[in-house]
Amino acid sequence: GQQVMQIPQYQHVQEGEDFTTYCNSSTTLSNIQWYKQRPGGHPVFLIQLVKSGEVKKQKRLTFQFGEAKKNSSLHITATQTTDVGTYFCAGPILTGGGNKLTFGTGTQLKVEL
Amino acid sequence: ETGVTQTPRHLVMGMTNKKSLKCEQHLGHNAMYWYKQSAKKPLELMFVYSLEERVENNSVPSRFSPECPNSSHLFLHLHTLQPEDSALYLCASSQNRGNQPQHFGDGTRLSIL
Repeated sequence: GQQVMQIPQYQHVQEGEDFTTYCNSSTTLSNIQWYKQRPGGHPVFLIQLVKSGEVKKQKRLTFQFGEAKKNSSLHITATQTTDVGTYFCAGPILTGGGNKLTFGTGTQLKVEL
Repeated sequence: ETGVTQTPRHLVMGMTNKKSLKCEQHLGHNAMYWYKQSAKKPLELMFVYSLEERVENNSVPSRFSPECPNSSHLFLHLHTLQPEDSALYLCASSQNRGNQPQHFGDGTRLSIL
């Protein structure tokens, strides 16, 4: 079954409101990555977190890696229409063939004026 | 310019046709991937190649046949596809297999009539 889950699946916000998506793994991860896919586009790598409890910021985006390295969050402050898209987390999960980067289910963000 | 180029961008084919999708990466990476992305479904990993060797095949039907002639090129040969195979097919590459960030191409939007 799906080993990396994200909530919520969908989120509609008014422009200027904040937005948060949460990512949870069934296993401890060596790192967590976040990607953004614009409508009609392809996933684009945003950032990678490696350390327990790590927090990184990119302008209005704040990324956090949990202390147990099994969960992560992405918070957007004061959303803009350019933030529209689907946000995926991804983490390497050990399989029979070695580490496999496993993508979460994604959170689709819509921003209304 | 993503560094990963996929052709064609759009493809419409009948169920009895044979076609191929092409992916080329200009990033010097040694791992390449095929993903299927259907509406309202998570990214589905289909095949993984590391140093031109197939290292993972996620129970993909034999009507999909990958080929990796060198570390820069990846093909997905299609034959006798079904309507449920209509989806966005994404190619990605990474420096090493397993836990490195992946760079995606624009994808091929495939429609099966």
